[in-house]
Amino acid sequence: SQQGEEDPQALSIQEGENATMNCSYKTSINNLQWYRQNSGRGLVHLILIRSNEREKHSGRLRVTLDTSKKSSSLLITASRAADTASYFCATDAGNQFYFGTGTSLTVIP
Amino acid sequence: NAGVTQTPKFQVLKTGQSMTLQCAQDMNHEYMSWYRQDPGMGLRLIHYSVGAGITDQGEVPNGYNVSRSTTEDFPLRLLSAAPSQTSVYFCASGGTGPWNEQFFGPGTRLTVL
Repeated sequence: SQQGEEDPQALSIQEGENATMNCSYKTSINNLQWYRQNSGRGLVHLILIRSNEREKHSGRLRVTLDTSKKSSSLLITASRAADTASYFCATDAGNQFYFGTGTSLTVIP
Repeated sequence: NAGVTQTPKFQVLKTGQSMTLQCAQDMNHEYMSWYRQDPGMGLRLIHYSVGAGITDQGEVPNGYNVSRSTTEDFPLRLLSAAPSQTSVYFCASGGTGPWNEQFFGPGTRLTVL
């Protein structure tokens, strides 16, 4: 399987703190995307970073990509209770899409 | 726009029964895909389609069939349900391929007894 892995599996922080989660993948990629899933809901796209990019920002989100290490990180700054969710990285190879196992983030008010 | 819709939301089947999970999108996306989500496993790709009349297998296709007769619809068929197919199923669509942002449906929670 080309499935990636997220680290940590679970993360609990206080509101206002920053949250960092990491993703490692196995093969060369074209793009890497991050998605959020609230409990019992579908996934929502957060950000896409292309293989020739090293860093990307979107609001309170910062994503980095290191293709030499086959890894990416997602930083959520100034976290809010509403950020409580599971976060998944996903990579595309050809026409197929591979998700990581996810990080469960709990933000405590 | 309704986005990606899935029906039913919940389904209970007995072993050996067959059923079709419906998926429709109104965004004129060429690329559509089906995933199953099991605890601790993330989402795994079952089948995908790059356009009407074109489908292909993903990571875990066994026990499932798909067809794509229109751009809008991408049904997933369980041929003979097994307890191992108990899962949450998500349909997604996105542009012309997985290199585009993917839009997900709300999911179907399937239990096979």
